[in-house]
Amino acid sequence: NAGVTQTPKFQVLKTGQSMTLQCAQDMNHNSMYWYRQDPGMGLRLIYYSASEGTTDKGEVPNGYNVSRLNKREFSLRLESAAPSQTSVYFCASRDRQKNQPQHFGDGTRLSIL
Amino acid sequence: QKEVEQDPGPLSVPEGAIVSLNCTYSNSAFQYFMWYRQYSRKGPELLMYTYSSGNKEDGRFTAQVDKSSKYISLFIRDSQPSDSATYLCATHGSSNTGKLIFGQGTTLQVKP
Repeated sequence: NAGVTQTPKFQVLKTGQSMTLQCAQDMNHNSMYWYRQDPGMGLRLIYYSASEGTTDKGEVPNGYNVSRLNKREFSLRLESAAPSQTSVYFCASRDRQKNQPQHFGDGTRLSIL
Repeated sequence: QKEVEQDPGPLSVPEGAIVSLNCTYSNSAFQYFMWYRQYSRKGPELLMYTYSSGNKEDGRFTAQVDKSSKYISLFIRDSQPSDSATYLCATHGSSNTGKLIFGQGTTLQVKP
């Protein structure tokens, strides 16, 4: 049972390049979330998907798009990467109907030069 | 004022000490509270999940919620070097979407 799997684990981009971060969960959870973690800022919510077919903005959505591909997968896309998007990105999932807490993946470390 | 406040530390204790980690929150409507542990270069790992005021114990860990003073605590008994990590408190807030509001995290070092 892998839980929440994120790919890639590391990536270096140049300013202006595009990139899709992948996330998949095998716990049959209906809700999925994308966060970024920066020193001194803690974890901040970028986008979330409360259930398959829905997505909503979080605290810091600018510069990102998301796709809830199916119940298992939730991807985060940077269309034109900027140095300010250098961060560690975490995906999480949750069984909303059982009001359970979120479970996190191990993150994607993204550097934009 | 941040919705969840947590002293970032760092906190350094000798092995075997009792550790107390604390957070305060601003909104009395917040109901569900969590503690996550995050090792370096890893994702947050759920430690404790509580709803009501009072204590919840799991092995060496005890989570305490005091809704009257909007204060949550995590106690670690007989601390071990393997407990060295960043500890994050979080709450679902007053929304039913499950969005988490995190404290900044407290970095703990347990010295052998």
